[in-house]
Amino acid sequence: RKEVEQDPGPFNVPEGATVAFNCTYSNSASQSFFWYRQDCRKEPKLLMSVYSSGNEDGRFTAQLNRASQYISLLIRDSKLSDSATYLCVAGRTGRRALTFGSGTRLQVQP
Amino acid sequence: EAEVAQSPRYKITEKSQAVAFWCDPISGHATLYWYRQILGQGPELLVQFQDESVVDDSQLPKDRFSAERLKGVDSTLKIQPAELGDSAMYLCASSFPGTQETQYFGPGTRLLVL
Repeated sequence: RKEVEQDPGPFNVPEGATVAFNCTYSNSASQSFFWYRQDCRKEPKLLMSVYSSGNEDGRFTAQLNRASQYISLLIRDSKLSDSATYLCVAGRTGRRALTFGSGTRLQVQP
Repeated sequence: EAEVAQSPRYKITEKSQAVAFWCDPISGHATLYWYRQILGQGPELLVQFQDESVVDDSQLPKDRFSAERLKGVDSTLKIQPAELGDSAMYLCASSFPGTQETQYFGPGTRLLVL
């Protein structure tokens, strides 16, 4: 079983739609969580951190449920430019680097 | 805006040949990571440096892969000999001390082994 699991998609949605991605992690020692965005053939870029209290950045909302070891990302009013792969990421304080999920691909259609 | 630099951007080689990738992290970033990303998967850590010291190379195939960061700044990742299964994107990332999880990635080196 992978340490961070995501639905690979693709999620095909029309412009303006709301779409949600889910992710689960298996290592209870994970303490920090992130969503990264990766465009085709490009490097991953940090989209947002995820906090237990939930956090919002414009059209993007991230939630963390530690009890269920579950992370979500909600995108409202989807834009064509949101088309990308969204990587769910978990980290542990200390030497261990980030653990990435395999990504969820989003395709926003006109 | 400061960026992580990597070269080459693309590399095509034949199996059994040696290849080397270079990374220059953002100035002041003490922690440097090398990841490998196979198509359709997320990046997986190969090696992590804190300054010039290796702090995690548990996933590095040491029979063929080596990494160094001699002066604690730029780093080189080498594969010798390359195998067909090494075809992937090799990503370098760096972060500030104390904020290891906030990593900034370079553009990557795309390797194709024929």
